[in-house]
Formats: sequence, structure tokens, C-alpha cells
Amino acid sequence: AQSVTQLGSHVSVSEGALVLLRCNYSSSVPPYLFWYVQYPNQGLQLLLKYTTGATLVKGINGFEAEFKKSETSFHLTKPSAHMSDAAEYFCAVSARNAGGTSYGKLTFGQGTILTVHP
Amino acid sequence: EAGVVQSPRYKIIEKKQPVAFWCNPISGHNTLYWYRQNLGQGPELLIRYENEEAVDDSQLPKDRFSAERLKGVDSTLKIQPAELGDSAVYLCASSPGPPRPAFFGQGTRLTVV
Repeated sequence: AQSVTQLGSHVSVSEGALVLLRCNYSSSVPPYLFWYVQYPNQGLQLLLKYTTGATLVKGINGFEAEFKKSETSFHLTKPSAHMSDAAEYFCAVSARNAGGTSYGKLTFGQGTILTVHP
Repeated sequence: EAGVVQSPRYKIIEKKQPVAFWCNPISGHNTLYWYRQNLGQGPELLIRYENEEAVDDSQLPKDRFSAERLKGVDSTLKIQPAELGDSAVYLCASSPGPPRPAFFGQGTRLTVV
């Protein structure tokens, strides 16, 4: 069964500082991986995704994430935090079989609330 | 391109009353998801459709929840009767199909009093 763990329910950084949000997955075959952001009273917005190919993926708003199979991780980073980055971030996985076919189920982590201080 | 549309945005009902949520997915998206998000938690899948077929409803509390997706487009999620513990945000999402990502609507915030 697929599962995803986000380490740290709250992360606080200063404006201009590095943002690092951690995500680890558990799956017998490396899954498809996604990061979503949720602003208050809004739905989830896709930040970036990893399906195949380059393990370092770039997303919107200056975010990027690196898939590391050996560490079963997909951590989200941004070099310089902005006040507008304050939101809740969710890592999600979609398991697939060894042939690469997705099972279609999208499973989310518990979320990490990012606070950015001036 | 219009996004996923959900209605209503907010709903307050008394316990034991019925409630229904409506979702219009992005045009052409065959996969439709209903998620429930409790306060401070990640979304949890209730049901997933591929066209008209519910392919994963293992987490749907079938004694009180029902869903339908007629003609493989719009979908309705119903709760009858509602309980206090059903208070949550109900999110609808659609996708062209895995592994392509899902796109979410703004959600319906349900409060049961």
C-alpha cells in the first residue's frame, strides 16, 4: 500500500530564507509524486509533479523538488521565501506497477503549514 | 479553460438533515475524485470515478454517503442523514487520467450543528 509522510506539521522561516519541506513515501515501486499548495479557504493548487525523467523538477512560484529513490524522498525547496508563500503544502503520491501503469489513487500527506516572518 | 466548479461553497445544516454537493469537472477529464478534508489534515479519498464507473469507493461510508456521476461528467455527493462528525471540507478534483495530476475545485465547507 502506498503512503506518504510529511515531516514537520509546521515550518517557520524568515523572508528571504531557504524553504525546505520534507516528504517521504512508502511504496514498493517508486510512485508518481506531487506537491500541492492550499491557501486559506481555497482548494489545492498543483505546484509541481514528478512522473519520469529528470529527478529535479521545477514548479511554479520558484519551487522545486528532487526525487531521491535511495532515500524514498521528494522534498520541496525554494531558495528565498516570500511572504506570499505562507500556506499549507501537501505532498501526494500515486502508486504504479513495475510497468509504470498508475493505479490512479492519489494519496496525500498530512500537510505542512509554512509561516514566513518579515 | 474553466477549472473544477463546486457548489455550494458553504453549507450549514442541522444533524440528521440531508445535504448534497455538486461538482462540474474540467471538460474532457475522465477521472473525478471526491475527497474529504478534516481540519488540520490532508485530503482523504472518498470515491474515484473513471467516466461513469466508481472504481474506488472503499473509503465511502455507504450507510449514509452516496455519489453519482451521470453521463461521466457532473457528479453529486450526498449525505443522509448528516452527523456532527461530517463537518469538513469536501473537495472535488478531476484529471485527464493517471498519472496526470488532479485539479481541484475550491471545495464545499460543511458545518453540521
